[in-house]
Amino acid sequence: DAKTTQPTSMDCAEGRAANLPCNHSTISGNEYVYWYRQIHSQGPQYIIHGLKNNETNEMASLIITEDRKSSTLILPHATLRDTAVYYCIVRVDSGWGTSGSRLTFGEGTQLTVNP
Amino acid sequence: GAVVSQHPSRVICKSGTSVKIECRSLDFQATTMFWYRQFPKQSLMLMATSNEGSKATYEQGVEKDKFLINHASLTLSTLTVTSAHPEDSSFYICSGTDGYTFGSGTRLTVV
Repeated sequence: DAKTTQPTSMDCAEGRAANLPCNHSTISGNEYVYWYRQIHSQGPQYIIHGLKNNETNEMASLIITEDRKSSTLILPHATLRDTAVYYCIVRVDSGWGTSGSRLTFGEGTQLTVNP
Repeated sequence: GAVVSQHPSRVICKSGTSVKIECRSLDFQATTMFWYRQFPKQSLMLMATSNEGSKATYEQGVEKDKFLINHASLTLSTLTVTSAHPEDSSFYICSGTDGYTFGSGTRLTVV
């Protein structure tokens, strides 16, 4: 799986958009970009993933550059409960029940949402 | 969506004893489950891949005789930390087959 680079930490004001960048310049054509977050002392939570098109769900938006070498996770209206470590992971999506579902976590970005 | 139930959430044990952690898939069949370990202020590290009906696959540097994994059914995988020592104190997390769903984690403290 390709390596990712994320800033160590970021701050965001409550109610504002949080934009979390991720660099994955060695991504292969069949690798997806996944985002997870981990609130302190809890298991990771899946947020969103995409291949090359921008994606949006009820939690966030994922913007992937045209060359796919970087992406940005956007939390449109950050709340205090969004304070967490956010992980950007690149992997081949082999689907259910295969060893391709293993994940390699980097250090992630500690997002702190301030009142 | 898929749910993975992990327990206990927190356990304190004496050095030299064994501790079992359970991970159940509540609404899907998990032919494979993954066990991770997370030390304070560090990221998650994959320990092993648990395979239903066969032996687990361990990552390099993880002692298979110390961290016993059993995956006897499609809904239950267990991790037993044998002869626990203080350096085994960590946050242990399982995830389901799909790679999307994680348990809530088990905080193990060995005293």
